Amino acid sequence: DIQMTQSPSTVSAAVGDRVIITCRTSQTISKWLAWYQQKVGLAPKLLIYQASTLESGVPSRFSGSGSGTEFTLTITSLQPDDFATYYCQQFHSYQLTFGGGTKVEIK
Amino acid sequence: QVQLVQSGAEVKKPGSSVKVSCKASGGTFSNYNFNWVRQAPGRGLEWMGGILPMLNITNYGQKFQGRVTVIADESTSTAYMELSSLKSEDTAVYYCARGHDSGGYYFGYWGQGTLVTVSS
Repeated sequence: DIQMTQSPSTVSAAVGDRVIITCRTSQTISKWLAWYQQKVGLAPKLLIYQASTLESGVPSRFSGSGSGTEFTLTITSLQPDDFATYYCQQFHSYQLTFGGGTKVEIK
Repeated sequence: QVQLVQSGAEVKKPGSSVKVSCKASGGTFSNYNFNWVRQAPGRGLEWMGGILPMLNITNYGQKFQGRVTVIADESTSTAYMELSSLKSEDTAVYYCARGHDSGGYYFGYWGQGTLVTVSS
């Protein structure tokens, strides 16, 4: 299985801050990576797919970049609705894995 | 609009099996992969396996090989996940998730989740 290392596990930030979350994979996956946001008690919500494509309806303050083994999710100007847990997910050779998650907390 | 509606919560004994359903509406059922992702209390997301109904092809996570079965009933647009030999560590919310409109294994649509509790 491809291992995924997501960092940081927790980030404390204020409204208006820029937040960057990193996901590293143990093997190259080209651009087969997605980012999700999950709030407590709810199913995850797709934000970014194919490493950098914004899902329809997702605010443009979310962006993704990277390819190969290193990827980032950037939230510019954090909003109150953005406090949640974020997961990366890779798809390679019909095996999927999720990162361990990053909780974005209010500073 | 696509909706995935899952079956209700279950309480199971260790060693037994559980079968969770996921009924899809909107979109063409056969064209998309349907997957199962679970989340233990306070933990992260874990992919278990999935199926592409059109070709009846399944893929399973290595951790669950031999213990999980995913099937799809095209006549009712319903996907099922059966997990056997249940242990207390299988207590989790189980989600079904449909593949993205682009055709990739990204999940743009999710069910509401089904809590499975394994307890003696």
